[in-house]
Amino acid sequence: EAQVTQNPRYLITVTGKKLTVTCSQNMNHEYMSWYRQDPGLGLRQIYYSMNVEVTDKGDVPEGYKVSRKEKRNFPLILESPSPNQTSLYFCASSWSSSGANVLTFGAGSRLTVL
Amino acid sequence: GQNIDQPTEMTATEGAIVQINCTYQTSGFNGLFWYQQHAGEAPTFLSYNVLDGLEEKGRFSSFLSRSKGYSYLLLKELQMKDSASYLCAVRGGSYIPTFGRGTSLIVHP
Repeated sequence: EAQVTQNPRYLITVTGKKLTVTCSQNMNHEYMSWYRQDPGLGLRQIYYSMNVEVTDKGDVPEGYKVSRKEKRNFPLILESPSPNQTSLYFCASSWSSSGANVLTFGAGSRLTVL
Repeated sequence: GQNIDQPTEMTATEGAIVQINCTYQTSGFNGLFWYQQHAGEAPTFLSYNVLDGLEEKGRFSSFLSRSKGYSYLLLKELQMKDSASYLCAVRGGSYIPTFGRGTSLIVHP
């Protein structure tokens, strides 16, 4: 089944404890992206990647890192999480960023930072 | 930058028709998407417009006017399961889609 898989789905952590949210897609998509969703603010892009070893900042990149060493994986790294990073995170992918290529989203990762 | 506006919340009656508007201001334009998102779930694709006019897909239709920076999503024969958030996303000159804040649609009997 074609899908985007995120892990963990739920996580409660403490301020300053490094964590990684993994994202993997099995559709050979070139484009991958991370979003956070907060009440009243909608989906805001954190980082995106056009292809392997190509990453770029979105609208809210502060406090996050990403890497794209393989086409299928795009992990989101929080080096020193803070309470303002408590949010619902979505990973998404598509064939490319152009044309009618729609985004396929993962199921979401709900992160709470205490 | 990009600015995308949608109403925050709308209510409608089962069986009725509802129109959700989206206005945008972008540097360049390379397509507009509508996604549906049920509470606690991932967004799923509904429609894509890149040229002016109406795209119809079953009970859902989407309209685009590039000169006015305007789109709407039309939902006909509303069902209770249509209660969800509807997200407008615009792809500007950078080809990276930007999402509006979403419209929460409540369908009541």
